[in-house]
Amino acid sequence: GDSVTQMEGPVTLSEEAFLTINCTYTATGYPSLFWYVQYPGEGLQLLLKATKADDKGSNKGFEATYRKETTSFHLEKGSVQVSDSAVYFCALPNTGGFKTIFGAGTRLFVKA
Amino acid sequence: IAGITQAPTSQILAAGRRMTLRCTQDMRHNAMYWYRQDLGLGLRLIHYSNTAGTTGKGEVPDGYSVSRANTDDFPLTLASAVPSQTSVYFCASSEQGAQDTQYFGPGTRLTVL
Repeated sequence: GDSVTQMEGPVTLSEEAFLTINCTYTATGYPSLFWYVQYPGEGLQLLLKATKADDKGSNKGFEATYRKETTSFHLEKGSVQVSDSAVYFCALPNTGGFKTIFGAGTRLFVKA
Repeated sequence: IAGITQAPTSQILAAGRRMTLRCTQDMRHNAMYWYRQDLGLGLRLIHYSNTAGTTGKGEVPDGYSVSRANTDDFPLTLASAVPSQTSVYFCASSEQGAQDTQYFGPGTRLTVL
C-alpha cells in the first residue's frame, strides 16, 4: 500500500544553516505531494506542494522537487531562521480519494 | 475570513462520558476531515466527509462518529470516551478531496481520565 517515510527528528541547526528533511514515498498512481508545517500550538498549514513529476514547489525560501525516479520529495532551505522552528510533515494523498498519509513529522529547532 | 474554527480549545473528560467536538468552516469546501495527532504517529484520519450528507471511515474510526448535516459543520462525537482517546484533534477541509490543499483548524486538546 501507499506509504510515506520521513526522517526522524529532532533536527537542531544554527541560524543561516542549510536544511534538508528527507521524505520518500510509495504510491500507486500519480499523486500530488505536500509539505505542511505546524508551528507551536497551531494546526498544520500548507508550506508547499507539487502536482506531478519534476515539479518544484517553493514557498518562504523552502523548496522540494517531486522526483519520481527516486520516489522522493525532500524539503530544503538554504538559510534557516529561528522563526522556522516548527514540525514539518510530508504528506501523500490517495489519488481521487479522501485519505492522506502523513509522515510522522520532523521537529526542527533553529538556534540564534 | 476565519477559515476553520474548532471548539472547545481543550477539555478534560471523565472516561465513559459523551463528548462532541465542534468544527465549522466558512470556505464552502465540499470535503472535511477529522484527524487525531499523537506523538510519534503523525496525523491519523478518523472520519471524512466528501459532501453534505455523506461521510466515510478513515484509518482509526472506532469509538467515533460524525455527521454532516450541512456544508459548514462537521461535528465529531465520542459516545463513551476512553483514555486511549486522549489526543489532539484537528478538523480540516479541502475544496473537493485529498489532492487539494487541506486547511486545518487550531485543534482541540482532549484528555480522558
